[in-house]
Amino acid sequence: DSGVTQTPKHLITATGQRVTLRCSPRSGDLSVYWYQQSLDQGLQFLIQYYNGEERAKGNILERFSAQQFPDLHSELNLSSLELGDSALYFCASSVGVADYEQYFGPGTRLTVT
Amino acid sequence: GIQVEQSPPDLILQEGANSTLRCNFSDSVNNLQWFHQNPWGQLINLFYIPSGTKQNGRLSATTVATERYSLLYISSSQTTDSGVYFCAVEGVYQLIWGAGTKLIIKP
Repeated sequence: DSGVTQTPKHLITATGQRVTLRCSPRSGDLSVYWYQQSLDQGLQFLIQYYNGEERAKGNILERFSAQQFPDLHSELNLSSLELGDSALYFCASSVGVADYEQYFGPGTRLTVT
Repeated sequence: GIQVEQSPPDLILQEGANSTLRCNFSDSVNNLQWFHQNPWGQLINLFYIPSGTKQNGRLSATTVATERYSLLYISSSQTTDSGVYFCAVEGVYQLIWGAGTKLIIKP
C-alpha cells in the first residue's frame, strides 16, 4: 500500500458525459501528479500540482482539467468523454516538486461506452 | 526530450530462473524509478535509484548514471513476479516512461 488513495476504482460511463476522479496523496506529500495509461501502453503525464498550484502540464486535453484543494487532495475532471478516453488513470504523489520518488495510487479504470 | 528504452520487450522464464532487465536513457537524470505493474494493473514501486545499487529481497537494481543505464535483477523468479516492469526517469516535473518489459513466469 503506497498511501495514495484514488476513487472510484472503476467507472463506466457513456460518450459525451463528464466524470470526476479523486486522489488523496500520502500524508506529508505536497505534489500530486496525474498520468493516463491507455490499453497496453506506457504512462503519459497529464499534469502536476504542488501545494495547490499547477506546476507542469503534459499532454492533457482541453476537455480535461484538474485542481488541488487546500487539504491537498486533487480531482481530475474529464468532460465530453470519447471512446478513446477509456484508460487507467493514475495519481501519484511526492514530497517535493521535482526529483523526489513518486508513489502511485491504485488507479481508476475508466470505460467509456 | 529524454528518451527511455527498455530491453528486452518480452521475457518468458520458468519459475526459479534469474533475469536481468535493462533501461537506457538518453540524458543525465536526477530521478530513476523501477516499477512492477501486476496483471491487475496496480503499479508497485520497486526502487528509487538515480545512482548506485540497492537490494530488496530477491530484487536488486543498479544505475550507472555516467553511462546512462540501469539494470533490474530478479533472482529465483516466482509466478507472482509476472507482469510488466517499467523504468521511468524524471524529465521536467514529470516521469518519462519506457515501454516496459513484459515478464511471464511459468510454473
